[in-house]
Order: sequence, then C-alpha cells, then structure tokens
Amino acid sequence: GAGVSQTPSNKVTEKGKYVELRCDPISGHTALYWYRQSLGQGPEFLIYFQGTGAADDSGLPNDRFFAVRPEGSVSTLKIQRTERGDSAVYLCASSAQGSYGYTFGSGTRLTVV
Amino acid sequence: GDSVTQMEGPVTLSEEAFLTINCTYTATGYPSLFWYVQYPGEGLQLLLKATKADDKGSNKGFEATYRKETTSFHLEKGSVQVSDSAVYFCALSIIQGAQKLVFGQGTRLTINP
Repeated sequence: GAGVSQTPSNKVTEKGKYVELRCDPISGHTALYWYRQSLGQGPEFLIYFQGTGAADDSGLPNDRFFAVRPEGSVSTLKIQRTERGDSAVYLCASSAQGSYGYTFGSGTRLTVV
Repeated sequence: GDSVTQMEGPVTLSEEAFLTINCTYTATGYPSLFWYVQYPGEGLQLLLKATKADDKGSNKGFEATYRKETTSFHLEKGSVQVSDSAVYFCALSIIQGAQKLVFGQGTRLTINP
C-alpha cells in the first residue's frame, strides 16, 4: 500500500482481556517498529523487526507483550491480560534498508476499561 | 542513556511570527537527529533530519542545524502559518543494528490568525 496501515484505529477492551493490534507496512520495507505513545508523551520504542525476526525487543515492558511478523510483512502486537496502564496509542512504522527516518502509521488507540 | 529534552509547551503564536522550539540531546555515540510533526488527527510525519554535525535539515520553511558543540537541534521557522499548528517531536537515533528513535516529550504549537 501507499502508507503504513494499522487496524483497528480504536480498540476498547476490558481489563484482563487479550488484544491483537495489526500493522501492514509499506511494501518492500524490511524494517518494522512498534512504539507506544502515552498521553502527553513522545513515542517509546517497543520492538524492532528486520525481516521475520525480532532483532530487538528490549522495549517490551513485560512478558504480557509479544509481537510477531511471520512472513516478513504484516506484524501483530499481542497483549495478554490487559491492564488499565496499557491504555495508549500504539504506533507502527516501517523503513527501507539504509534509509533514515521512518514512515509511521496513524496508530491504534487502545483503551482498557 | 540516550535522551532528548524539548522546550515545554504549549506554545501559542500569532500568524507570521518567528518560531523557535528548543531541543537538546544526550547521546553516547554520534546520533542522527530528527524533527517529527503530528497534525491534528494524523500520524507522525518526518519533518526534517540531519545525520552529522553542522548539517542543516530543512522542509516546508522549517530549519534545524545539528550543533554538536551545544548538543542541540533547535527547530526554527521565520513566519508561521495557522496550518503549522501541530505537535512537534524532536528525536535522535543511534544506528546500531536497529534504527531506534528516542523522542522528546513533544511541544504543542498553536498559531492564531
């Protein structure tokens, strides 16, 4: 596609439930990133994929968070046993090999009630 | 660790005023520096970048110069427009495998006609 697509754009879930957030990067972009943006803050790095593998997952806050990219294109961020503190905008971005700067998606606003 | 500190907002200016948004950074290596912009209801967009000391990034009338001696990357525009109203984020990346971005907290800019 022309840009990075994230679905859903909004997700409201109950505390304790499981959620999946999807990211469809720009075609041909090998690098994919997930960030989390809390209200009034800048985005914070969660995880980076180069191809199918998670090359750096140092930003994942705990083991309730997991992400996959099985075919090197679409990625899914999975959050188990959601907590109210997980409420944020989850951003996905992709970049081409060797380029500076990313293209971000519009994000998924997750609200845990 | 690496960090970015931005001028506290919100900033409110009149149309055609001169804009400066301060940004300073702390990094262990030689970062690339970026300004991202988030317009109301839209995703983060790369505004400009500089990859080495003394480089000047520019786009849409905005400029920022990479100052290694003062570890700064201040954003400037000579004459702002109402359409420049947005949240501006300064960011750095140290490219060691992953091009992870470290963001400042953002500065909300409002331009009044």
